[in-house]
Amino acid sequence: DAGVIQSPRHEVTEMGQEVTLRCKPISGHDYLFWYRQTMMRGLELLIYFNNNVPIDDSGMPEDRFSAKMPNASFSTLKIQPSEPRDSAVYFCASNKRGGVYLEQFFGPGTRLTVL
Amino acid sequence: QKEVEQDPGPLSVPEGAIVSLNCTYSNSAFQYFMWYRQYSRKGPELLMYTYSSGNKEDGRFTAQVDKSSKYISLFIRDSQPSDSATYLCAMRISNFGNEKLTFGTGTRLTIIP
Repeated sequence: DAGVIQSPRHEVTEMGQEVTLRCKPISGHDYLFWYRQTMMRGLELLIYFNNNVPIDDSGMPEDRFSAKMPNASFSTLKIQPSEPRDSAVYFCASNKRGGVYLEQFFGPGTRLTVL
Repeated sequence: QKEVEQDPGPLSVPEGAIVSLNCTYSNSAFQYFMWYRQYSRKGPELLMYTYSSGNKEDGRFTAQVDKSSKYISLFIRDSQPSDSATYLCAMRISNFGNEKLTFGTGTRLTIIP
C-alpha cells in the first residue's frame, strides 16, 4: 500500500488567498483525521470523519477553515481567506475501525507558508 | 492548562546513554497511552502503546504508565543516532464512540555519536 498521500507537499501563498490541501487515505480505512502542527501548539486535531461523515470539528479554528470528504478515498481541507498565522504543517491521517489503540497512519504532511 | 503536558526539549545525549521522556496529563478518563516517533519532515509513526499501569518492553524501548500520578514515560536503552527524532505522547479516552487522540507537543531528541 502507498500509505496516506497528501498534496501538495509545500504551499506558499499570500495572505487572503484560498488554499486547498488534499488527502488520500489508506484504502479500507474508515476514519480520516486532519491535524495541524506548529512549534508552539504541537499537533492539534482539526476535524475527523468516519465513513465520510464529519464526526467532530471542534478543533477547526474558525469559519475560514472547512473540510470535506466526498468519498472514501479523498478529502480536502480548505482555508479561505488564508492568514499568516495559518502557517504550519498540516497532516492527514487514517485508521481502520476496530483497533483498540487506534494506530493512526500519517501522511507526509503539507508545509503551508502564508506570506 | 493543556490536558497533556510534555517538555519540548531539545534533549541531547551521547550515544549509548539511557533516555527518559515523560508526559503528564490531567484527564483521568484517559485509558490508552501511546508514543509516536516523528523524524524530521515526516509524519508521526506509532512506536509503542499500552493500556494498564506498569511497564511494557519492546526491544530497547520501555513504556511506563502510572495512572495514579497521571504520568507516563518512555525509556530508550543503548540509544543510537537513528533514535534522533521528536517523540510525541498520545492518549485516548475510550475505545467506543470517541476516536480522538490527544497529543503532547513532542520532545525533540538528538543522540550524539
